[in-house]
Amino acid sequence: DGGITQSPKYLFRKEGQNVTLSCEQNLNHDAMYWYRQDPGQGLRLIYYSQIVNDFQKGDIAEGYSVSREKKESFPLTVTSAQKNPTAFYLCASRNKDGPGELFFGEGSRLTVL
Amino acid sequence: AQSVAQPEDQVNVAEGNPLTVKCTYSVSGNPYLFWYVQYPNRGLQFLLKYITGDNLVKGSYGFEAEFNKSQTSFHLKKPSALVSDSALYFCAVSPTTDSWGKFQFGAGTQVVVTP
Repeated sequence: DGGITQSPKYLFRKEGQNVTLSCEQNLNHDAMYWYRQDPGQGLRLIYYSQIVNDFQKGDIAEGYSVSREKKESFPLTVTSAQKNPTAFYLCASRNKDGPGELFFGEGSRLTVL
Repeated sequence: AQSVAQPEDQVNVAEGNPLTVKCTYSVSGNPYLFWYVQYPNRGLQFLLKYITGDNLVKGSYGFEAEFNKSQTSFHLKKPSALVSDSALYFCAVSPTTDSWGKFQFGAGTQVVVTP
């Protein structure tokens, strides 16, 4: 079945450590997105990518980095520069053209100890 | 700039009663509008979307939504709520001028359906 796989589901890290969240899709979608979800704030866009080897900052990119070396993969690194990294992170993808909806992964919950 | 407002943090409804979740939006030009549902510690699931045409859109699990251009609203409705409809619901908007779909999400409305 086609879909988006995020891993790990739960992740704990100590302050000052970088951590990378994985996102893989087999939907053949060109566009991929990372969102951060905090209680009562909806979803906020971190980074998005329209094509391999290209990506753009979203609304809250500070303290995060991404890469897009393959069409299927869009990993997110939460760096030690992110002031408040504890959150639920969602990866999504969609077709490039037309008013297609976003398809979401199951999310990764990061807790900083 | 585009924005989405979900004026109710929580909606409480008894099972079997009609359910309405409100959404209003602000966007330049014509919008694409979406509704998603999220269960605890899960990703968002797509329910329905408005692109053009009929103002009443039917979606998954018996949900429907009505687009009202004059009131810039896109309320989600279900004629008879189920306990299993208890979840967090998000409205989202994407301008038609942005083919890459930079979606703007509302803050979400928690729906609680009691037996």
